[in-house]
Amino acid sequence: DSGVTQTPKHLITATGQRVTLRCSPRSGDLSVYWYQQSLDQGLQFLIQYYNGEERAKGNILERFSAQQFPDLHSELNLSSLELGDSALYFCASSLTGGGNQPQHFGDGTRLSIL
Amino acid sequence: DQQVKQNSPSLSVQEGRISILNCDYTNSMFDYFLWYKKYPAEGPTFLISISSIKDKNEDGRFTVFLNKSAKHLSLHIVPSQPGDSAVYFCAARTSTDSWGKLQFGAGTQVVVTP
Repeated sequence: DSGVTQTPKHLITATGQRVTLRCSPRSGDLSVYWYQQSLDQGLQFLIQYYNGEERAKGNILERFSAQQFPDLHSELNLSSLELGDSALYFCASSLTGGGNQPQHFGDGTRLSIL
Repeated sequence: DQQVKQNSPSLSVQEGRISILNCDYTNSMFDYFLWYKKYPAEGPTFLISISSIKDKNEDGRFTVFLNKSAKHLSLHIVPSQPGDSAVYFCAARTSTDSWGKLQFGAGTQVVVTP
């Protein structure tokens, strides 16, 4: 158990819809990261937050947005969903984000677009 | 642009023998490298890391070697156990790029046979 909690585990929805994925970081961790893993691909970095502020962005689509709340949990919002958005979405956390700190991952949310 | 490459999609090894997983990278600015293990339906689990100022780091049965001139790192697992059967991801980070963002290889599926 990494201590990172992601909900829901599975999400099935239709094209054009909007969903919210939730992540609670490990106790004490201030930095949260979101990654996408599509079929047969490695993990692709989407976005990072540190203590409520956006710190880094990867190839995140404009239809996607995220935020980190004062209690440090984070949400990833995906809108106008397309078939190609079907993927595993992982959240990770680390103590700060700088320095040589490993990121610890949750078990992911599997998003299926029908 | 895939900056972290794991060219072997799969590896089969006998229980008790050594497993050697390889990873190549192209970005000379990477200064921190990590290995993660992933079981089906779970998130990646941090295994071991190495800073670019070192060439070897050992933790129990796991040893990571870094050859900066060749832009190559490897993970040795000795002795291999059935529970080591999983997908292994190599990841790397620069201290200057996107503060903590990890770039992942595509993974190597390891199967440990009795």
